[in-house]
Amino acid sequence: QQQVKQSPQSLIVQKGGISIINCAYENTAFDYFPWYQQFPGKGPALLIAIRPDVSEKKEGRFTISFNKSAKQFSLHIMDSQPGDSATYFCAASWPGAGGGADGLTFGKGTHLIIQP
Amino acid sequence: DAGVIQSPRHEVTEMGQEVTLRCKPISGHDYLFWYRQTMMRGLELLIYFNNNVPIDDSGMPEDRFSAKMPNASFSTLKIQPSEPRDSAVYFCATKMGTGNTEAFFGQGTRLTVV
Repeated sequence: QQQVKQSPQSLIVQKGGISIINCAYENTAFDYFPWYQQFPGKGPALLIAIRPDVSEKKEGRFTISFNKSAKQFSLHIMDSQPGDSATYFCAASWPGAGGGADGLTFGKGTHLIIQP
Repeated sequence: DAGVIQSPRHEVTEMGQEVTLRCKPISGHDYLFWYRQTMMRGLELLIYFNNNVPIDDSGMPEDRFSAKMPNASFSTLKIQPSEPRDSAVYFCATKMGTGNTEAFFGQGTRLTVV
């Protein structure tokens, strides 16, 4: 069962444009929604994260929009740059409190290419 | 801190051989996770530890896979015997505390089983 569905699988955006990646989740117990960025040959690194008590979080050119009722969240990259070319993963988790759910459930990833 | 350190970075082994992947967590982090990344299945959680104790191993694909954390500074993921379908990149990640805290990933071990 895929608990976090991510789209699109790949995305090409012109330099300066807006990149948008979408995710939907099923488990209403999730309460932490991070986005990770991965460059070839490297491990994923946290980019930005949100909790469901807010609808939007912005850090520089990166914004997460969160829709709790629709169980959807998205990453927007404003003024996309060639250096943003990477694979992006959405993820979700809920605190296990010893119950065993502290691990992240990842989407399948979006391969983003920013064309100069 | 040097971050999460994994070794080896690359491993090529023959089918049937035992493979051991190693991870040194960030000092002070009490949670350690092992993930596997493939093109088909993406990033999958295999097992995780809290204070060196395995909490959830439901993601371990088969009995051929085992993981240990003998102390707060070291963890291993072992595959015995290895099979070609085990070929993947294996990541170790660690974090401090439960809940909404950042997980830091190592650079991964690329395993190829021929």
